[in-house]
Amino acid sequence: DAMVIQNPRYQVTQFGKPVTLSCSQTLNHNVMYWYQQKSSQAPKLLFHYYDKDFNNEADTPDNFQSRRPNTSFCFLDIRSPGLGDAAMYLCATSEGTGASYNEQFFGPGTRLTVL
Amino acid sequence: AQSVTQPDIHITVSEGASLELRCNYSYGATPYLFWYVQSPGQGLQLLLKYFSGDTLVQGIKGFEAEFKRSQSSFNLRKPSVHWSDAAEYFCAVGALTGNQGGKLIFGQGTELSVKP
Repeated sequence: DAMVIQNPRYQVTQFGKPVTLSCSQTLNHNVMYWYQQKSSQAPKLLFHYYDKDFNNEADTPDNFQSRRPNTSFCFLDIRSPGLGDAAMYLCATSEGTGASYNEQFFGPGTRLTVL
Repeated sequence: AQSVTQPDIHITVSEGASLELRCNYSYGATPYLFWYVQSPGQGLQLLLKYFSGDTLVQGIKGFEAEFKRSQSSFNLRKPSVHWSDAAEYFCAVGALTGNQGGKLIFGQGTELSVKP
């Protein structure tokens, strides 16, 4: 089945220690998204890639970076995690035709704990 | 500005009772509307979506939603709730971002508890 995969499902890191979260997809979608969801809150878009074009949300902290080496993979890098970065990180993909909105397909998420 | 409001933070219903979760949106153009469900520690599962056409939309797990443009609402309903429906429910509007795909704007969520 075509799907969105996130690894690891649970990640523990130390305060200030860089961490990378991974997302891969078999849907061959050209748009990939990263959302941050803190406890009891709605998911919030951090950034997305349209093919190789990176689109950052205006209020995404500089501490968060992303890489997309190919169509299938996208990484979320947190350069110096703080306690406030503990959250569920959700990856999603969609087709990007530009003319109309296309449904997003979500992965299961990675739960990040910062000690 | 684009926004989604879910007025009820937490709702408790008895098993077998009917359910309605409210959602109001603010969006300047034709909205693309979604309801997602999230169990604790899990990702988001799409229940249903409205893009155009019939304003009453059927989804998975017996859920339906009705789009009412005049009220800017997209309420989720289920005639008989099961204990397994206990979860967090998110309403969202899909917003186009020029020619760079689109993004989802979520409401704050409604937590549903089901009493035996």
